[in-house]
Amino acid sequence: SQQGEEDPQALSIQEGENATMNCSYKTSINNLQWYRQNSGRGLVHLILIRSNEREKHSGRLRVTLDTSKKSSSLLITASRAADTASYFCATDGVNTGFQKLVFGTGTRLLVSP
Amino acid sequence: ETGVTQSPTHLIKTRGQQVTLRCSSQSGHNTVSWYQQALGQGPQFIFQYYREEENGRGNFPPRFSGLQFPNYSSELNVNALELDDSALYLCASSPVGTDTEAFFGQGTRLTVV
Repeated sequence: SQQGEEDPQALSIQEGENATMNCSYKTSINNLQWYRQNSGRGLVHLILIRSNEREKHSGRLRVTLDTSKKSSSLLITASRAADTASYFCATDGVNTGFQKLVFGTGTRLLVSP
Repeated sequence: ETGVTQSPTHLIKTRGQQVTLRCSSQSGHNTVSWYQQALGQGPQFIFQYYREEENGRGNFPPRFSGLQFPNYSSELNVNALELDDSALYLCASSPVGTDTEAFFGQGTRLTVV
């Protein structure tokens, strides 16, 4: 079963605009990770944010985490056509004793030139 | 490039057959996990191996089994293939621990006919 849900399911923007994707999850977590997937191929790791962190930046990416609301957001600034992909959040829950990432259903981002 | 390699890239099998998928972990990573991603869905955790033993499993039947070798490479074996086993199978490697990044390979696309 999917732990989280991404919102929106699909997003279409123009190059240069910002894209914001949201993720909600259900249980307590060690960390939350964001991934990008191009055309149904492998997952590319974007960023990891731990449960005691509220915000992280990496290049054009900004991730926030609100553990009280069990939600996270991914902001891509100044988007490019190459950012077109599906984006997934994945949570690593506590008390499992091993790393088990639970993925949401993804947001499909289309960036038009 | 994550350093995680999977083979083969694509595979077509007949219902009832058996299949073996392979994964080479990123250098320095001694934990490997396998995920199944059905079309249009997020990846689902199958199991994880650490020090050549399974140390965590998702909701998959026993006909899904695995191995991890001393060099940390891994195999996923699926017996008695069913049509619903058609999916993208992803391997992820990570350093030991539960609060770490997981890096994925490009996946193996399995089609069961």
